[in-house]
Amino acid sequence: QSVLTQPPSVSGAPGQRVTISCTGSSSNIGAGYDVHWYQQLPGTAPKLLIYGNTNRPSGVPDRFSGSKSGTSASLAITGLQAEDEADYYCQSFDSSLGGSFVFGTGTKVTVL
Amino acid sequence: QITLKESGPTLVKPPQTLTLTCTFSAFSLSISGVGVGWIRQPPGKALEWLALIYWDNDKRYSPSLKTRLTITKDTSKNQVVLTMTNMDPVDTATYYCAYSLLGGFDPWGQGTLVIVSS
Repeated sequence: QSVLTQPPSVSGAPGQRVTISCTGSSSNIGAGYDVHWYQQLPGTAPKLLIYGNTNRPSGVPDRFSGSKSGTSASLAITGLQAEDEADYYCQSFDSSLGGSFVFGTGTKVTVL
Repeated sequence: QITLKESGPTLVKPPQTLTLTCTFSAFSLSISGVGVGWIRQPPGKALEWLALIYWDNDKRYSPSLKTRLTITKDTSKNQVVLTMTNMDPVDTATYYCAYSLLGGFDPWGQGTLVIVSS
């Protein structure tokens, strides 16, 4: 069972802004561990979208942005495009039970 | 650029042991801070982190699967091996390996589908 909770789905029309939340606890996000975000297009391996809470790897459009506050983090997509339809996952580190990496429950983004 | 590729059996019978190999290029697992992790994804379900090995041979395991997993590295061959014992149909998934630095995973291998069935 994942310790990072995401909404199962979000949707928006092309050009709109959508946000995906990632809710953790005091042993992971709230403890100060970085949050990373991944995009998984259908039938492909996940791709790093945001690292270290707010940073975009080279090649990732600036339409994607990340933020973190308290025990939660968020991914925002502005100017939604058809190609953004995918599954999105947050990921962090959890210090309980000896320390382990954890992924979120995943969010399906649908472009209407 | 960094690449990783998973290899191993496609079909495993319960309760056999699964052995997966991750072969990588363009980095060394002897460099400080570097790690290689394994993540799996059952069909239609979310990602699940399994294990990670660091350059200094520090190993981390998923608490829920710790008793069944072993991760090792062969720095000279640029390989990381994951073994999972007592395989069950619920372990059917695509298994990925990925390069890890500063807590994230990037890039990922293409993944290998493992089906557990008698």
